[in-house]
Formats: sequence, structure tokens, C-alpha cells
Amino acid sequence: AQKITQTQPGMFVQEKEAVTLDCTYDTSDQSYGLFWYKQPSSGEMIFLIYQGSYDEQNATEGRYSLNFQKARKSANLVISASQLGDSAMYFCAPDTGANSKLTFGKGITLSVRP
Amino acid sequence: DTGVSQDPRHKITKRGQNVTFRCDPISEHNRLYWYRQTLGQGPEFLTYFQNEAQLEKSRLLSDRFSAERPKGSFSTLEIQRTEQGDSAMYLCASGGQAYYEQYFGPGTRLTVT
Repeated sequence: AQKITQTQPGMFVQEKEAVTLDCTYDTSDQSYGLFWYKQPSSGEMIFLIYQGSYDEQNATEGRYSLNFQKARKSANLVISASQLGDSAMYFCAPDTGANSKLTFGKGITLSVRP
Repeated sequence: DTGVSQDPRHKITKRGQNVTFRCDPISEHNRLYWYRQTLGQGPEFLTYFQNEAQLEKSRLLSDRFSAERPKGSFSTLEIQRTEQGDSAMYLCASGGQAYYEQYFGPGTRLTVT
């Protein structure tokens, strides 16, 4: 079974500053990708960014980037230039199954202060 | 709107009643997933369809739960004899040919009283 660790219970960041959200995972599978999703108070899961296990460069998508350290099984999300609309829950989810089902951590609450 | 849609968005039911939820995936997406999310937790995988075939079911999916995707397009999730512990957000996601695509719908929030 996979174990996903998101230990930061709540994070605060000042608007326009950068913030890093931590994610570590425990899997014996050698081939996997990792997703990050955002869930605002409305409840919808919004896809942010994906890192393939064999991607040599860290994934970037607009203001989102991943600090992917495969050997440490760590894939931290960096949000640059935080906006008030970034306030939400953030989930990381490795994808190791043949069916690409996702296993989510408990998530991290991010609050952006004006 | 070309995203994943779910209906209803909210459902309140009494314990013991049956409920059915519908998910319409993104057009031409052949993969469809159901997840359940309880308060304070991340979503948990329930079941997976590749086209019309149900290829994987979680142990969370008790005998009271059944899911179908009859024509490989929309899917339904039925819960029979609902219990208070079934209260949760039920999320549907669809994926296309690329394995890294998985997009979620807005969810159906179920409250069992």
C-alpha cells in the first residue's frame, strides 16, 4: 500500500510571495507519476501539475512548479507570486497503478493573506 | 461546458433509502473513476472503468454499492440501503489517452440523515 505524507496542517503566505507545499510518499513501484490538485471551498478538484517519473526536468506550469527528488520520494509544490485565489486545500497523489488510480494524502490548507 | 459533470450536486436522503448518482465524463475519454471524500480527508478510490468494463473495485466498495457504465459514456453509482457513514462527497474523474490526464467533476455531496 502507498503512504502519502503531507505533514503541514496549515500554511500561511503573504500575497505575492512564494510558498512551498511538501509531499513525500512511500511506494515500491519504480514507475510512477505524481499529481498535484487544488480543492477550493467549492469542493471541485482542480488539476495543477503532473510530474512523470522519468522526466529529467522538474515540471512547471505557469506559477506552479515541482521540486521533484525521486531518490527521496519527495515532490514539493512551489507556488510563486501567491494570489488570494490560491487559498484552498492542496493534495498530492502518486499514480502507480496500472489503471492510473490516484492515492491522495490528507492535504494541506493554504491561506493567502492580503 | 466540456468538463466532467455530475448530477445531482447535493443529495439529502434518509437512512435506508437508495440513491443514484450520475457522472458524464469529458467526451471521448475512455477512463472513468469514482472517488469518495469524507471531511478532512483526501479522496479515496472506489472504482475504475475502461470504456464500459469495470476493471477495478476498491475494498471500500461494499455490496451495497454498484457502479455501471453501460455504453462507455456516462456512469452511475448506486448506493442501496444508505447508512450515515455513507455521507461524503462522491467525485467522478475521467481520463483520456494520455495516462497523466485525470480531470474531476464538481462532485455530489451526499448527506444521510
